[in-house]
Amino acid sequence: KAGVTQTPRYLIKTRGQQVTLSCSPISGHRSVSWYQQTPGQGLQFLFEYFSETQRNKGNFPGRFSGRQFSNSRSEMNVSTLELGDSALYLCASNSAWGEQYFGPGTRLTVT
Amino acid sequence: GEDVEQSLFLSVREGDSSVINCTYTDSSSTYLYWYKQEPGAGLQLLTYIFSNMDMKQDQRLTVLLNKKDKHLSLRIADTQTGDSAIYFCAEGSNSGYALNFGKGTSLLVTP
Repeated sequence: KAGVTQTPRYLIKTRGQQVTLSCSPISGHRSVSWYQQTPGQGLQFLFEYFSETQRNKGNFPGRFSGRQFSNSRSEMNVSTLELGDSALYLCASNSAWGEQYFGPGTRLTVT
Repeated sequence: GEDVEQSLFLSVREGDSSVINCTYTDSSSTYLYWYKQEPGAGLQLLTYIFSNMDMKQDQRLTVLLNKKDKHLSLRIADTQTGDSAIYFCAEGSNSGYALNFGKGTSLLVTP
């Protein structure tokens, strides 16, 4: 079966702009999590959605938001981009049995 | 959250066993995970263990869990050069998929 897909794979944005990243989970999975990975902070949890509802939220400012659609696809949005938002953004597709499968990530560069 | 601790670097010879250690923080963690990340890629789920288990074996991989000491280890038997990567330990609860990751252990396998 198809894995987790994330689009786009690479993005370059300018400080102050906003960006939307997309994630399509594994078919049948209703939960999606998002993480930010940076060399300094490592992997940090952003938020998790289950059946279109945000179930958990990490310690990130309100500029980071997300949503999930009825087909379980998820998007995350970052507004008013800062240089420190440059990172690899990873989406994970979560099974009902504890497994969490990650996509290839979107590498965001803010200039 | 609090830090999940891992040693930063491990070097082994091809054919030897590798043991990567992790100390987690939350005694109520339900699931404990090991992920592998190769350069430029997302995270690959290697294996995971429920907190009510002491050991799990999956082909060349053996996970040991010591709940009293909150210590998790991953043993890779007959380590190959293709095993060179960064290995992440993560803890999760049954309240949702908000994983708390360690900083990763960089495994180098030399011929």
